[in-house]
Amino acid sequence: GQNIDQPTEMTATEGAIVQINCTYQTSGFNGLFWYQQHAGEAPTFLSYNVLDGLEEKGRFSSFLSRSKGYSYLLLKELQMKDSASYLCAVRDSNYQLIWGAGTKLIIKP
Amino acid sequence: ETGVTQTPRHLVMGMTNKKSLKCEQHLGHNAMYWYKQSAKKPLELMFVYNFKEQTENNSVPSRFSPECPNSSHLFLHLHTLQPEDSALYLCASSLAGIAGSDTQYFGPGTRLTVL
Repeated sequence: GQNIDQPTEMTATEGAIVQINCTYQTSGFNGLFWYQQHAGEAPTFLSYNVLDGLEEKGRFSSFLSRSKGYSYLLLKELQMKDSASYLCAVRDSNYQLIWGAGTKLIIKP
Repeated sequence: ETGVTQTPRHLVMGMTNKKSLKCEQHLGHNAMYWYKQSAKKPLELMFVYNFKEQTENNSVPSRFSPECPNSSHLFLHLHTLQPEDSALYLCASSLAGIAGSDTQYFGPGTRLTVL
C-alpha cells in the first residue's frame, strides 16, 4: 500500500530551528508538497519538490531525497505564528495526491 | 472575493436532515475537489471534478452527493448522515491537467457535526 509517515507532534522554541520529517512509500513519484494549516483554517501551499536537493523560500526550506523516499521541512527563526499543522503529500504515478496525517508544531516562548 | 470560499463554515445537523455545502473558486481553475479531514488522520479525497466532469469517487457512501454545475462552483449534498460523518469538509481547486506540480488551493472548510 501507499504510506506517508510524519511525526504526530513536535515542540520547539521561538527563535529556534525545527526540522519536520516526512518519509513515503508510494507507487511512483511525481513530486512532494508541503502545506501549512492553522487550526480551523485552510491548508495553504508552502512548497513543491520534484528534484533532489534543498529549496529555500525565506525562513522555510524543503529538502527531497527520492532515493531514500524522504523529505523534510526546515523552519528557521521560529515565530509564534508558525504554530500550526504541517502536511506532507506525495503525487504518485497516477497523479493522485497521497497525504500524511500532518505534524502539529507547537512553538513555546 | 478571492481564492476558494466555502459556506457554511459551521453546520450542525440531525441524522434525518438534508443540507448542502457550497464551494466557489475565483482562481480560474478547472478542477475541484472535496476532502474529508478527521482529527489525526490524513486528508481523505472524496470526489474530483475536471472541467465539470466527475473523474473520481473514492467509494464514498451515497449519502454524500456531489454536484458541479460549472468550473467555479461545487456542492456537496448531504442526507441521512451518521455521527461518524462529523468532520471538517474541505474544498480545493487546481488548474487541472496531469502536471506533477499541479497545486491544490483550499477553502477554509465546513465544520460538520452530526447529532
